Amino acid sequence: KAGVTQTPRYLIKTRGQQVTLSCSPISGHRSVSWYQQTPGQGLQFLFEYFSETQRNKGNFPGRFSGRQFSNSRSEMNVSTLELGDSALYLCASSITGGRPNEKLFFGSGTQLSVL
Amino acid sequence: QQQVKQSPQSLIVQKGGISIINCAYENTAFDYFPWYQQFPGKGPALLIAIRPDVSEKKEGRFTISFNKSAKQFSLHIMDSQPGDSATYFCAASKAAGNKLTFGGGTRVLVKP
Repeated sequence: KAGVTQTPRYLIKTRGQQVTLSCSPISGHRSVSWYQQTPGQGLQFLFEYFSETQRNKGNFPGRFSGRQFSNSRSEMNVSTLELGDSALYLCASSITGGRPNEKLFFGSGTQLSVL
Repeated sequence: QQQVKQSPQSLIVQKGGISIINCAYENTAFDYFPWYQQFPGKGPALLIAIRPDVSEKKEGRFTISFNKSAKQFSLHIMDSQPGDSATYFCAASKAAGNKLTFGGGTRVLVKP
């Protein structure tokens, strides 16, 4: 069974641009979450999607948005990029995200550099 | 507000030794406490998890100890091996759901 797949692996953008990151969850998983990882702030929850609906949201500005498609694949978008948005963006999936002890599987992430 | 505090930030242990990582949380609504292991260039991988109705859980060389009254939990890695060299994160969440609050991470180096 393939794991969580994130594309692209690396991305370089300039300030003010926008970026879209893609995530394909494990087959059969319907919950997709996004996390930002930086050396300074660590791992921070961005949002979670289930059945094409945002179910949970972290404390990030509105420039960060996401969506989920009917096949559970998800994309996140960051508009008007700032230098501080440079980070490893991780996608994680689970079967439903709604049951205790349900395992969460992470992808290898997209490393975004904003110049 | 850092709701999960993790210590130490880094740890060096000899092969065969015990690695101990501690975490403290503030939100009493948390009731699921997983530990993740992350290697360079990879995403975090679930290692072991515990719920607050259990004081200890062991899986192979990895043990979680949980102290609900103190709002603390810890990871013990017994017989540490060089392949255990990685960054370890504790986390917490409210019941089911994937909104995890992570600790700051501990970089563990196991010397042969």
